[in-house]
Amino acid sequence: NAGVTQTPKFRVLKTGQSMTLLCAQDMNHEYMYWYRQDPGMGLRLIHYSVGEGTTAKGEVPDGYNVSRLKKQNFLLGLESAAPSQTSVYFCASSYGTGNSPLHFGNGTRLTVT
Amino acid sequence: AQKVTQAQTEISVVEKEDVTLDCVYETRDTTYYLFWYKQPPSGELVFLIRRNSFDEQNEISGRYSWNFQKSTSSFNFTITASQVVDSAVYFCALRFGETGTASKLTFGTGTRLQVTL
Repeated sequence: NAGVTQTPKFRVLKTGQSMTLLCAQDMNHEYMYWYRQDPGMGLRLIHYSVGEGTTAKGEVPDGYNVSRLKKQNFLLGLESAAPSQTSVYFCASSYGTGNSPLHFGNGTRLTVT
Repeated sequence: AQKVTQAQTEISVVEKEDVTLDCVYETRDTTYYLFWYKQPPSGELVFLIRRNSFDEQNEISGRYSWNFQKSTSSFNFTITASQVVDSAVYFCALRFGETGTASKLTFGTGTRLQVTL
């Protein structure tokens, strides 16, 4: 049982390039999330999804887009990367609402030069 | 507004010492959930515990214990007889969002715990 899998693990982009981060979960979770982790700032929610075909903005959505075409996958896109998007990105999923804990992937370290 | 404060940026202890990680939260909601996550040097985030606002019982799990006090809006985490394997960054988090919506979390900035021999 793989849980939440993120690809790639590392990526270096030049300013203005685009890329897509892939998140896949095999736990049949309805909810999926993308967070970014920056030094001294904890984790901040970028976008989330409450089900296949739905997405919503989190705290820091600017510069990112997401899609949830299949229940098990949640894609995070950067259309025109900026150095401020250098971060570690975590995908997470959860069963439902309330006290459901989030299950996290191992993260993607992105550097934008 | 939701807010989680972990005032301790970094703590260093010698193995076998007890250590407490502080977490103070702010919320206007009467129903809320608190979580602790561990991030070891390998980078993954590991769920440790959750607590809802109606359950103020302290919890113990092996060497780990949690003290939830609504009166002081705190949810502190104690490791007894610390071990080198406890070295990690620990995050406290507060669930926000209306009941029936996704489990979005507000995280504190984390406390880095270094346990040495």
